[in-house]
Amino acid sequence: NAGVTQTPKFQVLKTGQSMTLQCAQDMNHNSMYWYRQDPGMGLRLIYYSASEGTTDKGEVPNGYNVSRLNKREFSLRLESAAPSQTSVYFCASSLGASAFFGQGTRLTVV
Amino acid sequence: GDSVTQMEGPVTLSEEAFLTINCTYTATGYPSLFWYVQYPGEGLQLLLKATKADDKGSNKGFEATYRKETTSFHLEKGSVQVSDSAVYFCALQPWGGANSKLTFGKGITLSVRP
Repeated sequence: NAGVTQTPKFQVLKTGQSMTLQCAQDMNHNSMYWYRQDPGMGLRLIYYSASEGTTDKGEVPNGYNVSRLNKREFSLRLESAAPSQTSVYFCASSLGASAFFGQGTRLTVV
Repeated sequence: GDSVTQMEGPVTLSEEAFLTINCTYTATGYPSLFWYVQYPGEGLQLLLKATKADDKGSNKGFEATYRKETTSFHLEKGSVQVSDSAVYFCALQPWGGANSKLTFGKGITLSVRP
């Protein structure tokens, strides 16, 4: 079972570059999430999608955009990367209680 | 808004020691409560959950009881192993929000010495 798949696993960007982090789940879950994990900060919610076609801002949405392309896919876009966006990014999905997480994307912005 | 507070870390224990990791929450009604674990280099995995007051979640020797009166969901294990070394996150999902977002605590790193 694939579960939640994130690509890429690692990425280095220069300040000002753009990129899209991809996430796909094969569990037919309604809800999908993007979190960032920083030392001492735990997981902070960037954006959230309760169902296909809907998205909501989380705790730290500035500098990011998302697209819920269909029920399976939820992408996160950085339009102009900044060093403050250096982090580990996790995608997750859920149906009811319990969330399933991808393996993470380690992003470094130099 | 909803929030989860975990005890400060990191925590270092010897193998076979008793573990308690404190977690308290602020939320309206009766949220669902979770413990997630993150092993080095991996994503988070659900460890256990409880969906109503006085429920006890358990898995892999870990236990946590949903205490509404103290708004707590402390994680315990009677005898830790080196393989339990990981980061542990407490989380909640709002009451009545089956598709609602999870709110996480900051996480605590557990290291177990042989």
